[in-house]
Amino acid sequence: DAGVIQSPRHEVTEMGQEVTLRCKPISGHNSLFWYRQTMMRGLELLIYFNNNVPIDDSGMPEDRFSAKMPNASFSTLKIQPSEPRDSAVYFCASSPRARLYEQYFGPGTRLTVT
Amino acid sequence: GQQLNQSPQSMFIQEGEDVSMNCTSSSIFNTWLWYKQEPGEGPVLLIALYKAGELTSNGRLTAQFGITRKDSFLNISASIPSDVGIYFCAGRPNYGGSQGNLIFGKGTKLSVKP
Repeated sequence: DAGVIQSPRHEVTEMGQEVTLRCKPISGHNSLFWYRQTMMRGLELLIYFNNNVPIDDSGMPEDRFSAKMPNASFSTLKIQPSEPRDSAVYFCASSPRARLYEQYFGPGTRLTVT
Repeated sequence: GQQLNQSPQSMFIQEGEDVSMNCTSSSIFNTWLWYKQEPGEGPVLLIALYKAGELTSNGRLTAQFGITRKDSFLNISASIPSDVGIYFCAGRPNYGGSQGNLIFGKGTKLSVKP
């Protein structure tokens, strides 16, 4: 079975540019999560969706970050404009109905903003 | 915000040795999970625990949900080289917050003894 798919796997961009990260959750999972991982802060939840609806976006750092889930099989995380401090690994995870906390992670997107 | 204290931060293993690590919190958690992360990959779910006192195994891995609900333990028996990686605990706190919000520990890094 296919796991969570993320693209791109690596992104290098210049400060000020727009960055869009993409995620395809596991088929049949109804919750989707975006995390950011850094050495300093570890894994942090940015936002999560349930049935395509954003439930908690309190972890989104600031207005430069936005996330959408137009349908059950696709989500995007956008950063505009990007800044060097946004450099991190961004993970998407999904979980099945009734087992919300059993989150299955994708391989991540390593973002470098220069 | 809520934090999980994971220990040890790092440890070296020799093939065949048993390994123990733990995760503690200052407040009560309803759910505990253990993940393993290898370089360049996302965390992989190993074990999920839902009841105080619960003891669950996954092959050579055994995890326990502490009776106080403020801690969890992971044991690896007869370690092998492919056990190296970073092990994360994660928990769902009992206090308010949104349903999907997991708190992650900073990880225990397992390396092979030189």
